[in-house]
Amino acid sequence: GESVGLHLPTLSVQEGDNSIINCAYSNSASDYFIWYKQESGKGPQFIIDIRSNMDKRQGQRVTVLLNKTVKHLSLQIAATQPGDSAVYFCAENYSGNTPLVFGKGTRLSVIA
Amino acid sequence: GAGVSQSPSNKVTEKGKDVELRCDPISGHTALYWYRQSLGQGLEFLIYFQGNSAPDKSGLPSDRFSAERTGGSVSTLTIQRTQQEDSAVYLCASNKGVNQPQHFGDGTRLSIL
Repeated sequence: GESVGLHLPTLSVQEGDNSIINCAYSNSASDYFIWYKQESGKGPQFIIDIRSNMDKRQGQRVTVLLNKTVKHLSLQIAATQPGDSAVYFCAENYSGNTPLVFGKGTRLSVIA
Repeated sequence: GAGVSQSPSNKVTEKGKDVELRCDPISGHTALYWYRQSLGQGLEFLIYFQGNSAPDKSGLPSDRFSAERTGGSVSTLTIQRTQQEDSAVYLCASNKGVNQPQHFGDGTRLSIL
C-alpha cells in the first residue's frame, strides 16, 4: 500500500517467522536495485542489492527476488529477530542516471 | 572513519538564518549524494557529485539551496534564508560509482523555528 505522512505500511511478524516485504518499482529501464534498513535516528543501512540480469540473490538470512515482468521486488528475511524491526526501503537505479529513487518504505515490527 | 560522517547531527535555527551542513564521505568514494527525508517519508534526492562536479542538481528545491564539494572529498550543503518547510533530516551518501551501493551517514536533523 501507499504511505501517507507517518502512516507507513506495517508488517507485523512473530519472532522466528519469515518476513516478506514487497516493493513495486516504477521505471522499466531500472537495472540496479537495493534494499535498505533504517532504524530510528539513523541513516539507511545497505542490506542487499541485485542487478537486472538476475532474478534472485541471497545473503545472510536475506533473499531478494526481482520480477522484471511486473516490476516487483521483494525482500525475504528468514527467522526474523527483534533486531530486524525497522523501516525497509527499496530503491531503484538506472545506470544512465545515478541517483537512487526510493520507495516509500515498509515498517517491520517483530513480536517477541 | 570507516563510514560516512555528517555534522552537525542536530541543528536548530531561526527562520531566515543560513545553515551549512557537512558531509565526509568514505575514503576513495568518488560519488557523493545529498538526500532529504521529511518525518515518516521516503528519501528525496537533492544533488549528487562525481568528483568535484555536480552533473545533476535537479532535486534542489529552490535557489536557496546550494552545495559544493572540494578536493573530491568533503561536501557542504548550504541553505540560505531558511524556511520552516526546510525542516527535515538531510542525509549524505557516497559510493564508488554507478551500480555500486550507496552508503549513508546518520544525517543532520534540521529544525527551523
